[in-house]
Amino acid sequence: GDSVTQMEGPVTLSEEAFLTINCTYTATGYPSLFWYVQYPGEGLQLLLKATKADDKGSNKGFEATYRKETTSFHLEKGSVQVSDSAVYFCALTRASYGKLTFGQGTILTVHP
Amino acid sequence: KAGVTQTPRYLIKTRGQQVTLSCSPISGHRSVSWYQQTPGQGLQFLFEYFSETQRNKGNFPGRFSGRQFSNSRSEMNVSTLELGDSALYLCASSLLGDTEAFFGQGTRLTVV
Repeated sequence: GDSVTQMEGPVTLSEEAFLTINCTYTATGYPSLFWYVQYPGEGLQLLLKATKADDKGSNKGFEATYRKETTSFHLEKGSVQVSDSAVYFCALTRASYGKLTFGQGTILTVHP
Repeated sequence: KAGVTQTPRYLIKTRGQQVTLSCSPISGHRSVSWYQQTPGQGLQFLFEYFSETQRNKGNFPGRFSGRQFSNSRSEMNVSTLELGDSALYLCASSLLGDTEAFFGQGTRLTVV
């Protein structure tokens, strides 16, 4: 079955540091890939997406590139802020009627 | 444009009781999916409804059920509650179920 694996957390960084959160997936065919973010006490917010190989999703300074050859979709940001502290989820869908398959989530804490 | 609305935000129930959670999707969205989020299992797909029909179902016992109304609002029901059903239940809506999903803030269910 489909699966998503994220790097072990938590991740703790200082403000303005570079962020990478690794995500790899297993799925047949050509899934769409997503990064969602969850702030404390909230639901999930879509951060960015990519629907085909070599697509780059970007939003609010975050970027991720769909790499089919390595089945990866790593999240990066050049300079993190305290307000980026949250839980980040990598997810995929194969257009399978509303079903998203999520990674286990990575807790990011950014210190001033 | 209003987002996905879930009610209630918090619930406390006793073992053996049943509970109904509600989800109002974004206007125009016809697909509604439900997820269970727990610290141990992460985010798990429960089911998806589109035009009042369940199109997809995750691996949960029959105590978990749902329905969708003609206005796309959805409810999920859990009968004979168990302690392990304590979780954050998230609802997501999308246009057709194969596009990006938008999540509500969730309903926090505590079973005592």
